[in-house]
Amino acid sequence: QQQVKQSPQSLIVQKGGIPIINCAYENTAFDYFPWYQQFPGKGPALLIAIRPDVSEKKEGRFTISFNKSAKQFSLHIMDSQPGDSATYFCAAKVVHFGNEKLTFGTGTRLTIIP
Amino acid sequence: DAGVIQSPRHEVTEMGQEVTLRCKPISGHNSLFWYRQTMMRGLELLIYFNNNVPIDDSGMPEDRFSAKMPNASFSTLKIQPSEPRDSAVYFCASSFIGSGNTIYFGEGSWLTVV
Repeated sequence: QQQVKQSPQSLIVQKGGIPIINCAYENTAFDYFPWYQQFPGKGPALLIAIRPDVSEKKEGRFTISFNKSAKQFSLHIMDSQPGDSATYFCAAKVVHFGNEKLTFGTGTRLTIIP
Repeated sequence: DAGVIQSPRHEVTEMGQEVTLRCKPISGHNSLFWYRQTMMRGLELLIYFNNNVPIDDSGMPEDRFSAKMPNASFSTLKIQPSEPRDSAVYFCASSFIGSGNTIYFGEGSWLTVV
């Protein structure tokens, strides 16, 4: 059962454009929504995260928009650069029997072309 | 600071052989996760430990897979016997519950079963 649905699967954007990656969830018990960035041959690394009590969070060129009523959240990358080319995963955390469990989306392969 | 350390980084083995993947979490972390990454299924949580105790192994695909965490600084994921469909990247990750929910990933063990 896919608890976090992510789209698109792949995305090609010209340098300077604003790629947008979307995620949707069903479980209202999720209380923390991080985004991870993964470069080839490396493990995923935390990029930015948001809690459901805020609608937007910005860190540098990266912004998360969160719509609690729609159970959707998205990542926007401002002034995208070729170095942003990577796979991006959204995720959602729930407390499970007193322990924290993170569920990932299926990933978006982003390519920024010069 | 040393991150999550995994070994081996790459392994090629023949079908039917036993495979053991190793992980050293970040010192002081009390949660450890094993994930599997494939093109088809993305990042799947196999099992996670809290304070060395297995909490949820519902993601372990079948009895051929087993994981142990004998102490706070070491964990293993074993596949016996291995099959070609086990070919994937296996990630170990660790976190400290209550630290802000950041999960840190290792660089992965790339397994090919021929």
